[in-house]
Amino acid sequence: AQSVTQPDIHITVSEGASLELRCNYSYGATPYLFWYVQSPGQGLQLLLKYFSGDTLVQGIKGFEAEFKRSQSSFNLRKPSVHWSDAAEYFCAVGARAGGGADGLTFGKGTHLIIQP
Amino acid sequence: DTAVSQTPKYLVTQMGNDKSIKCEQNLGHDTMYWYKQDSKKFLKIMFSYNNKELIINETVPNRFSPKSPDKAHLNLHINSLELGDSAVYFCASRQTGMNYNEQFFGPGTRLTVL
Repeated sequence: AQSVTQPDIHITVSEGASLELRCNYSYGATPYLFWYVQSPGQGLQLLLKYFSGDTLVQGIKGFEAEFKRSQSSFNLRKPSVHWSDAAEYFCAVGARAGGGADGLTFGKGTHLIIQP
Repeated sequence: DTAVSQTPKYLVTQMGNDKSIKCEQNLGHDTMYWYKQDSKKFLKIMFSYNNKELIINETVPNRFSPKSPDKAHLNLHINSLELGDSAVYFCASRQTGMNYNEQFFGPGTRLTVL
């Protein structure tokens, strides 16, 4: 069974500084990888996804993530954070099941705090 | 138009009651899901439905039952509510195929059991 680890429960970053959120996954094959963001009291919004091909993927709101197979990682980055980026960030893995209806396995989330 | 909608947004009820949460998607997807987000914000899948067939049934109490009247709806029924059922419940949908297409999530329903 797949699993996702987000080692940082909380991260505090100054506005304008760069950001990296860590994500490690465990899965027997190449997984489908996602980053979702959840603002307070809101639902989940997809930031970006990796299926195959270029290991550096670009997402919305200036985010990017890099898939590193050797490290089983899919870290999320942003060169300069804004106060509006304060939210909960979830890394998730979806199993390749030939189109079968498998759900996403989520990490426990990283709470991002932006300091002025 | 909202892609995945849930009603109600908030639900406050007494222990022992039976309640339902409705979910509708207008994306034409063939698979729908229910997730539970606990007080520590941990998200875990509960159910999925594909072509009216339950595909995943995680280790959730049988007091929870998903019901799909048609392809666009997957409602969650909860019987004999307990304090531990308090959580945010998210509905999601996806179109299955060769790739693992992304899931679209509803806004969530915050259930509080008193």
